[in-house]
Amino acid sequence: DAKTTQPTSMDCAEGRAANLPCNHSTISGNEYVYWYRQIHSQGPQYIIHGLKNNETNEMASLIITEDRKSSTLILPHATLRDTAVYYCIVRVDNYGQNFVFGPGTRLSVLP
Amino acid sequence: SAVISQKPSRDICQRGTSLTIQCQVDSQVTMMFWYRQQPGQSLTLIATANQGSEATYESGFVIDKFPISRPNLTFSTLTVSNMSPEDSSIYLCSVWDRGGGGNTGELFFGEGSRLTVL
Repeated sequence: DAKTTQPTSMDCAEGRAANLPCNHSTISGNEYVYWYRQIHSQGPQYIIHGLKNNETNEMASLIITEDRKSSTLILPHATLRDTAVYYCIVRVDNYGQNFVFGPGTRLSVLP
Repeated sequence: SAVISQKPSRDICQRGTSLTIQCQVDSQVTMMFWYRQQPGQSLTLIATANQGSEATYESGFVIDKFPISRPNLTFSTLTVSNMSPEDSSIYLCSVWDRGGGGNTGELFFGEGSRLTVL
């Protein structure tokens, strides 16, 4: 079973920041938080991951709470092309095993 | 980042037949995985394709139904055997790659093979 809980769906206005929450209250000290997204009819795409510190890349920012029990993925300026299902996954970094995909959050970016 | 090609991208199959899906990676990778995504559902791991040995299957998946080959570090196949309409899904190949270094990596996915069984 997935170790994370996410809202089923969210809407965001185009050009605004999209903040996608994820709860992982049972996360262990050596487990990373990964975010992927799946645009309709495509394979999942890696977005970002982190362990303790906040992370930022060209796609998004990842904010992890100090107790690591929750995190937020931030898309700073959402576009229509960001409409997708977003998956939050926690796992030990061990060569790709243990990627358990939950239902994810369906983000709809509205014009 | 690893680039993954899957063939076929989609197919329509008759009940009782078998179909083999191919996965080609543009670089040598240690870990390759096969996932299934049923209509409207999330991804479920079928098995880990091990180079030079039998695949490791997840609970609910068996070798007779989903035989897997991994002849080298860049190629794998998944066969869906004796298909029924319940096997209609997207089948996705994925690989683990540590990229440019560091102590973490990413899971990369192919575009998937969409199977419809009539």
